[in-house]
Amino acid sequence: EIVLTQSPGTLSLSPGERATLSCRASQSVSSSYLAWYQQKPGQAPRLLIYGASSRATGIPDRFSGSGSGTDFTLTISRLEPEDFAVYYCQQYGSSPEYTFGQGTKLEIK
Amino acid sequence: QVQLVQSGAEVKKPGASVKVSCKASGYTFTSYYMHWVRQAPGQGLEWMGIINPSGGSTSYAQKFQGRVTMTRDTSTSTVYMELSSLRSEDTAVYYCARSRLSLSWFDPWGQGTLVTVSS
Repeated sequence: EIVLTQSPGTLSLSPGERATLSCRASQSVSSSYLAWYQQKPGQAPRLLIYGASSRATGIPDRFSGSGSGTDFTLTISRLEPEDFAVYYCQQYGSSPEYTFGQGTKLEIK
Repeated sequence: QVQLVQSGAEVKKPGASVKVSCKASGYTFTSYYMHWVRQAPGQGLEWMGIINPSGGSTSYAQKFQGRVTMTRDTSTSTVYMELSSLRSEDTAVYYCARSRLSLSWFDPWGQGTLVTVSS
């Protein structure tokens, strides 16, 4: 099973700042089969990024994903108030198990 | 638009079973896979298994083998997840989520169903 480790656990930033979230895999993720999700309190996760770097429909271009192999990054270029949430990475290239990272909480400083 | 609507909250006693439903609309039901993911209070996301609504084939996470059963009803475009031998650690929000292929991202997700296991 591929284990995903996200860092930092909590990131405290102010609106307008740049956020960089990391996701490291215990072994190479096939074909960059990595996704990022955003989850706000009381809501279901929402897809942000798939294929490591492709934005999902309707996702603002301030969100970007990069990386390959075992190291992946989600970047939010200029934080908006609605971006403060928990972010999860997920690998979906290793069937039959689909694993998630433990999450990074992005909070307002 | 694509929608996944789940059944309501449940309260169960330890040892009982629970069956959660997920009704799909806005797309061809048999053309997409469905996953179940759970989230314990204050915790992260845990993948439970996948069902192919076309033929009904399933694959479960090793942790839930023997306790979980996923089924579908193509006449109502609904998938079901039944978890048996419930214990307090199964208290969680259970989500269904769609994927285009078996190796594909999850989008969208249902609204979630809270299952509480308590004596």
